[in-house]
Amino acid sequence: GAVVSQHPSRVICKSGTSVKIECRSLDFQATTMFWYRQFPKQSLMLMATSNEGSKATYEQGVEKDKFLINHASLTLSTLTVTSAHPEDSSFYICSAQVRGGSADTQYFGPGTRLTVL
Amino acid sequence: GQNIDQPTEMTATEGAIVQINCTYQTSGFNGLFWYQQHAGEAPTFLSYNVLDGLEEKGRFSSFLSRSKGYSYLLLKELQMKDSASYLCAVRDWEGYSTLTFGKGTMLLVSP
Repeated sequence: GAVVSQHPSRVICKSGTSVKIECRSLDFQATTMFWYRQFPKQSLMLMATSNEGSKATYEQGVEKDKFLINHASLTLSTLTVTSAHPEDSSFYICSAQVRGGSADTQYFGPGTRLTVL
Repeated sequence: GQNIDQPTEMTATEGAIVQINCTYQTSGFNGLFWYQQHAGEAPTFLSYNVLDGLEEKGRFSSFLSRSKGYSYLLLKELQMKDSASYLCAVRDWEGYSTLTFGKGTMLLVSP
């Protein structure tokens, strides 16, 4: 099946610093990648949709200047949490869409657990 | 708006059959997905329904009724490793292919 990787898997940073998370599709090209955030015992909340070569589309309530998304190639999207604060501590998960067929299924990366001190 | 409801928790015993229900009210519909998520891990794809009826894949089956806004995931011959959260997700329209997730049903399988 389709494999999506994320790096790093876990990061601890000080308040006010910026953190970059990478999402890669390893064995397929993904024209669309998605970024989600999941708080403990909560569902996945879509943050933004990222299309290769164009600006990301952010969901309502998600600050585009705080969560910078770059989708520079068909296999790589990055999420940068700028000036991180403790309330940004969460589990960040990316997914990549496999186009073709009827499903256009999203496959998820393993997630990045961010802890902001 | 989007609204997806599933039970918060369910328990079952090893070897049994369990059905996890999902109801949805969305502004549009272009497919329903079920994902399995173990604690601290990312979701893994289980099934996809876009037409009414039952889709079977090994021990897992998923059913959809679009007129009722209803789906269920059926797990047979339960194993301990099936203890996980099961997420129902609806894709609202084809352009963005965005998914809206329910809060998940935590299934606990006991010996």
